[in-house]
Amino acid sequence: ETGVTQTPRHLVMGMTNKKSLKCEQHLGHNAMYWYKQSAKKPLELMFVYSLEERVENNSVPSRFSPECPNSSHLFLHLHTLQPEDSALYLCASSQDLSSFRDDGFFGQGTRLTVV
Amino acid sequence: AQSVAQPEDQVNVAEGNPLTVKCTYSVSGNPYLFWYVQYPNRGLQFLLKYITGDNLVKGSYGFEAEFNKSQTSFHLKKPSALVSDSALYFCAVRDEGSQGNLIFGKGTKLSVKP
Repeated sequence: ETGVTQTPRHLVMGMTNKKSLKCEQHLGHNAMYWYKQSAKKPLELMFVYSLEERVENNSVPSRFSPECPNSSHLFLHLHTLQPEDSALYLCASSQDLSSFRDDGFFGQGTRLTVV
Repeated sequence: AQSVAQPEDQVNVAEGNPLTVKCTYSVSGNPYLFWYVQYPNRGLQFLLKYITGDNLVKGSYGFEAEFNKSQTSFHLKKPSALVSDSALYFCAVRDEGSQGNLIFGKGTKLSVKP
């Protein structure tokens, strides 16, 4: 295990459902990230949090809503998703935003299917 | 604009043969380059990185990568492939001017046959 834990591992939801993805790290890292991995497309950075403050939002639709209640936890709240949102959602953490010595630790991802 | 390109969707290699997975990049500042591997049903795992120093970087599982500034490339290599190396490989770049964000290529599927 990498030290970054994501739950659930798999999620199937309808387009009208509301669900949340959870990410947890106890590495003492200050920065956490959400990435989206779709088939045959580059990994897309969705959100960046540093010290519980959102520092970047890469034009992600509002049906994705992140929450970082503390430095160890990061959530991604999902609401009225579309089938094209089906993907692997990866959480990552690093010591801080500008720490190039830290290579980033990734969770195993949540495989999301929207039906 | 910063970008990373992995021109091959898939690379097929026979076990025991050398392998190369290609990556080229485009950044505005100094490139900090990474390779990650993703095994089935697993998260991304760090393989190696180039920050500065020697152009040939050695990493985990016998992999190495060569940084070539003139060709803006950072190809991943291994002298002798194993069947267990079969996985999805991602090249990534972190630009010094960014807030530590990683920009990933779309990935290359490596298939090593016995």
